Amino acid sequence: AQSVTQLGSHVSVSEGALVLLRCNYSSSVPPYLFWYVQYPNQGLQLLLKYTSAATLVKGINGFEAEFKKSETSFHLTKPSAHMSDAAEYFCAVSDRGARAGNMLTFGGGTRLMVKP
Amino acid sequence: GAGVSQSPSNKVTEKGKDVELRCDPISGHTALYWYRQRLGQGLEFLIYFQGNSAPDKSGLPSDRFSAERTGESVSTLTIQRTQQEDSAVYLCASTYWGGSATNEKLFFGSGTQLSVL
Repeated sequence: AQSVTQLGSHVSVSEGALVLLRCNYSSSVPPYLFWYVQYPNQGLQLLLKYTSAATLVKGINGFEAEFKKSETSFHLTKPSAHMSDAAEYFCAVSDRGARAGNMLTFGGGTRLMVKP
Repeated sequence: GAGVSQSPSNKVTEKGKDVELRCDPISGHTALYWYRQRLGQGLEFLIYFQGNSAPDKSGLPSDRFSAERTGESVSTLTIQRTQQEDSAVYLCASTYWGGSATNEKLFFGSGTQLSVL
């Protein structure tokens, strides 16, 4: 079984400030981890993914996430927020060893608001 | 098409009616997923199709929900006797899965907003 917890359904930062969106997971086998972003009125897009290579993963738009096995975390960060980063962010885990395919379990989402 | 296409984009129906939602995946994608996103909540897995294998229906919330897929093309999600709690955005996603964990990127459609009055 696998699950994902995103701490904070809403996060508000000022433009230029650090963005930190928290994600903790549980998985019975080594996981694949993902961050997806959903901009207003658009579909979900993959932001970045961890698949057992480097633990620090860089994604699009300056975002990165670090896989920390000891903390079962995969927090998303960006050094300097931009107004265009305002969106809903979803963390997801895939129990890659369990079955064919890549069925994802999603967290509840975090809405990021960026203040001018 | 270039991406995953879902129709209709919005559907308003009366309680007790049946609805059918359509998903056109990216051509060549072997795997297709349906998810549900209720207001203020995360994505909830519904059903998964992979090639000609039997679908994984473990996420369907009740027997009022069913889905079909013809080969590796179009899929329809049917909700019978809709209830107000069925109101949500229904998202479809597809990917190519070639037998090894080489592609974990899902491509999502824009969803169908279902409102049950």
